[in-house]
Amino acid sequence: DQQVKQNSPSLSVQEGRISILNCDYTNSMFDYFLWYKKYPAEGPTFLISISSIKDKNEDGRFTVFLNKSAKHLSLHIVPSQPGDSAVYFCAATGFGNEKLTFGTGTRLTIIP
Amino acid sequence: KAGVTQTPRYLIKTRGQQVTLSCSPISGHRSVSWYQQTPGQGLQFLFEYFSETQRNKGNFPGRFSGRQFSNSRSEMNVSTLELGDSALYLCASSLDTRGGGEQFFGPGTRLTVL
Repeated sequence: DQQVKQNSPSLSVQEGRISILNCDYTNSMFDYFLWYKKYPAEGPTFLISISSIKDKNEDGRFTVFLNKSAKHLSLHIVPSQPGDSAVYFCAATGFGNEKLTFGTGTRLTIIP
Repeated sequence: KAGVTQTPRYLIKTRGQQVTLSCSPISGHRSVSWYQQTPGQGLQFLFEYFSETQRNKGNFPGRFSGRQFSNSRSEMNVSTLELGDSALYLCASSLDTRGGGEQFFGPGTRLTVL
């Protein structure tokens, strides 16, 4: 039972344009969501997070949006840069729980 | 501040053997979690340790075990290795904010079972 889903295995975006990565979840107990970026042969690197009490969180070029009623979140990267090419994982957890439930990842390729 | 370190980085074993992987968390971090990454299943939670106690456990067989030492360093052990155990094993540490704070990952140990 995949509680966190990333339905797009891959995404290609032109450099300078906006990249939008999507994530859906099914577990209503999740109340904290994170995005990680992963390069080959490295561990995931934390990008940005959002608590369920918010609907938007912004950090530089990265913005995460949360739609609780739809159980959907998205990561926007503006403008996209070649160094953003990586696999992006969405993760979710419940309050007081260190266990992260990950999506299967989306491979983002930025085309110069 | 040094990041999460994992040793060894690569390991090759044969079926039936056992293996021990090591993780040193970021200084001051008391929670250590382990994840398995495979192409088919993605990143899956194995277990979490805090103050030398297993606090959370994923859906893995008893062949997978772990422990944490008083200095927060952690080890995980896999006994009677199977071909399907070939994966990237990732360790993550956190401050234990009890609010779903971010976890910092190490580079992983790539285990190949032949």
